[in-house]
Amino acid sequence: GQQVMQIPQYQHVQEGEDFTTYCNSSTTLSNIQWYKQRPGGHPVFLIQLVKSGEVKKQKRLTFQFGEAKKNSSLHITATQTTDVGTYFCAGIKNYGQNFVFGPGTRLSVLP
Amino acid sequence: EAQVTQNPRYLITVTGKKLTVTCSQNMNHEYMSWYRQDPGLGLRQIYYSMNVEVTDKGDVPEGYKVSRKEKRNFPLILESPSPNQTSLYFCASSLFWASPMETQYFGPGTRLLVL
Repeated sequence: GQQVMQIPQYQHVQEGEDFTTYCNSSTTLSNIQWYKQRPGGHPVFLIQLVKSGEVKKQKRLTFQFGEAKKNSSLHITATQTTDVGTYFCAGIKNYGQNFVFGPGTRLSVLP
Repeated sequence: EAQVTQNPRYLITVTGKKLTVTCSQNMNHEYMSWYRQDPGLGLRQIYYSMNVEVTDKGDVPEGYKVSRKEKRNFPLILESPSPNQTSLYFCASSLFWASPMETQYFGPGTRLLVL
């Protein structure tokens, strides 16, 4: 079946450092979404990417969708303690109807 | 307030005792979905529903049932729970299914322990 992988599994950074998580799919995705889950909380939608090569920014967060629509990345500039949580990518295979989530990257930010 | 609610939030049960986890949304969303979350595996889709009376299997449907008799409700049924169904369960909804997909709104989660 379709697999979506994410690396790294864990990342510990000092506050102010940058952070990047990568998402890779075994098949082409029609679109990809990114979610953030705080410890003890539920996933919260961050953004959706649809077009090949698309780049979107939300303040310190930059999201990219690969040209082949099989990979994506989330980059956080100058991390803050409020960025702590697990970041998930989720995609839908072309013409499919069900979501496939990556295993997530857990980010810890040391003050 | 627009939200997805789940009940119960915590449940301890024994093997074989049927249980139902309810999910309700007040946003008139067409698409609803159930996920389970396990350490290291992320969220895996159990079942989804594109509208009333339309349901389909996700990636891990074994041991689960769902129904969608009303637009707002999407209960998850475990007919005969087993310990490997111990997990954190999330219900989610979105306005409708399309490409590109709409934002999914998640409920607060139900933590289930099957002894």
